[in-house]
Amino acid sequence: GAVVSQHPSWVICKSGTSVKIECRSLDFQATTMFWYRQFPKQSLMLMATSNEGSKATYEQGVEKDKFLINHASLTLSTLTVTSAHPEDSSFYICSARLLAGAQEQFFGPGTRLTVL
Amino acid sequence: GQNIDQPTEMTATEGAIVQINCTYQTSGFNGLFWYQQHAGEAPTFLSYNVLDGLEEKGRFSSFLSRSKGYSYLLLKELQMKDSASYLCAVHDSNYQLIWGAGTKLIIKP
Repeated sequence: GAVVSQHPSWVICKSGTSVKIECRSLDFQATTMFWYRQFPKQSLMLMATSNEGSKATYEQGVEKDKFLINHASLTLSTLTVTSAHPEDSSFYICSARLLAGAQEQFFGPGTRLTVL
Repeated sequence: GQNIDQPTEMTATEGAIVQINCTYQTSGFNGLFWYQQHAGEAPTFLSYNVLDGLEEKGRFSSFLSRSKGYSYLLLKELQMKDSASYLCAVHDSNYQLIWGAGTKLIIKP
């Protein structure tokens, strides 16, 4: 099956700093990538949808200036959490979809962010 | 609004069978997914249903009734490693995935 990687797998940072998370599709080209956030014991919450070469579409309530998404190529999308605060501590998961309307999203292993 | 309901938690015994139900109300329907998620890990794909009926894949089966807005995931011959959260998700008319909150399945020896 298709493989999606994320880096780093976990990160601890100080409040006020920025953190970049990379999401790569290793063996396929992803026209669309998704960024999710998951708090403990809660469901996945879609943050934004990004298509290669265009601006990301953010879900209601997600600050686009705080969560910067760059879908630089068909195999790489990055999420930058700017000026992170403790309430941004969460599990961030990306997924990738091969084609529009394709059945399945392939998930990365997730990144655990802890902001002190 | 769009809504997916599934039980918060279920407990079953090793070797037994368990059925996890999911009901959905979405704007349009383009398929239903079941994912397994172990604690601290990302979800992994289990099954996909777009037509009514039962899809069997080894120890796991998934059923869909579009007229009832209902699906279930059936796990047979339960093993301890099946302890995880099981997420039901639906593709709406825009192919956006709508997620349920997940069912935490606890397997006891």
